[in-house]
This record gives sequence, structure tokens and C-alpha cells, in this order.
Amino acid sequence: SQKIEQNSEALNIQEGKTATLTCNYTNYSPAYLQWYRQDPGRGPVFLLLIRENEKEKRKERLKVTFDTTLKQSLFHITASQPADSATYLCALDPPGSQGNLIFGKGTKLSVKP
Amino acid sequence: NAGVTQTPKFQVLKTGQSMTLQCAQDMNHEYMSWYRQDPGMGLRLIHYSVGAGITDQGEVPNGYNVSRSTTEDFPLRLLSAAPSQTSVYFCASSEHPSGLTYNEQFFGPGTRLTVL
Repeated sequence: SQKIEQNSEALNIQEGKTATLTCNYTNYSPAYLQWYRQDPGRGPVFLLLIRENEKEKRKERLKVTFDTTLKQSLFHITASQPADSATYLCALDPPGSQGNLIFGKGTKLSVKP
Repeated sequence: NAGVTQTPKFQVLKTGQSMTLQCAQDMNHEYMSWYRQDPGMGLRLIHYSVGAGITDQGEVPNGYNVSRSTTEDFPLRLLSAAPSQTSVYFCASSEHPSGLTYNEQFFGPGTRLTVL
């Protein structure tokens, strides 16, 4: 079965630095991969989607890369701020998906001032 | 637009009781789903629907029922609550994917359920 792993449960960085979060998957290559942000006590919020034929996607201070050879996606936040502190989830479509997603367990990012 | 709404926000049940978690969306989305989120387990799909009158099972459907009589509403029923169903439940919706145009999912605020 398809597995998706986010390598770090937690990541602590200093304000102003670039945060890099990793998402790895096994078995087949998904058609796309999504990243979500989740704050405590709230539902996940969509951030970015990258398709299998795209190497990189950017949105303001966020950048996502997708390497289908390595079966990996990297999520970068540049010039990080304390307000970026949250849990970040990656998600992909499993085989035969009708819109369903498989989610990683998330990486909790803490940005210290 | 209210987006995706869920009620109640919190609920405590006794083992064996039944209840319905409500979910509604006002974005005319065809796809709706229910997830549960447990510490260390991530989000797991319970049931989903690709349109009114159509539902299917996800990864962890046992002990739960769903129906989709309208586009807007997708209630989740716990038939006989068990302590293993203690969790945070999220409802989500998205435009139904067509071809390679896959859209993001919009999540509700969640229902925190405790079964004693």
C-alpha cells in the first residue's frame, strides 16, 4: 500500500532562517502532492499543490519541490517568522483515487524569535 | 461563504450510545469526506462521497455510517460508540476532480469526541 512519511516530528528553527520540511512516499508515484498547515485546535488549511510534471512551485515565502526519482517533496519557508509555527502536513492521491488523499503525520515547526 | 461547518465542537458519549456528527458546506462541492485524527496516526479517511446519493468507505469505516442526500450535507453516524472512537473528527470538501485537475480540500473546524 502507498505510504507517506514526514521525516521529522518536530523542527525548531530561529526566526529569519529557512525551514525545510521533507515528505517521502513509497510505491507508485502520485499525480500530485499537496501541503497543508494545521494550527492547534483547527482543521488543516491548504497551502500548495504540485503536480508530477512540475519540479517547483512558489507562493510568497513558500516553495515546494517534487522529485519523482527520489520519491520526495521538500517544503521550504524562507525568512521564517514565529507566526509560521504550526504543524505542516503533506498529502498525496492514492491509486484509483476519486479525490481521496493520504496524509503524512505532519511536522511540527517552531520558529523562535 | 461559511465554508465547511461542523457541529458539535465537543461531545462526550458513554460506551454504546449513538450520535450523529453534522457537516455542511456552502461551496457547492461534489466531494465530501470524513477523517479522524489521532495522536501519532495522522489523518485517516473514514468515508467519502463524490456526489449526492453516492458514498464509499475509506481506510477506517468500521463503526461509522454515512449518507449523502443533498450536495450540502454529509452527516457521520456513530452506531454504538466505543472508547476506540475517541478522536478529533474532521469533515472536508472539494470540487470533484476531473481529469488531472485536482483541487484542494477545505476542512471544517473539527469535532472533539470523547467516549467513556
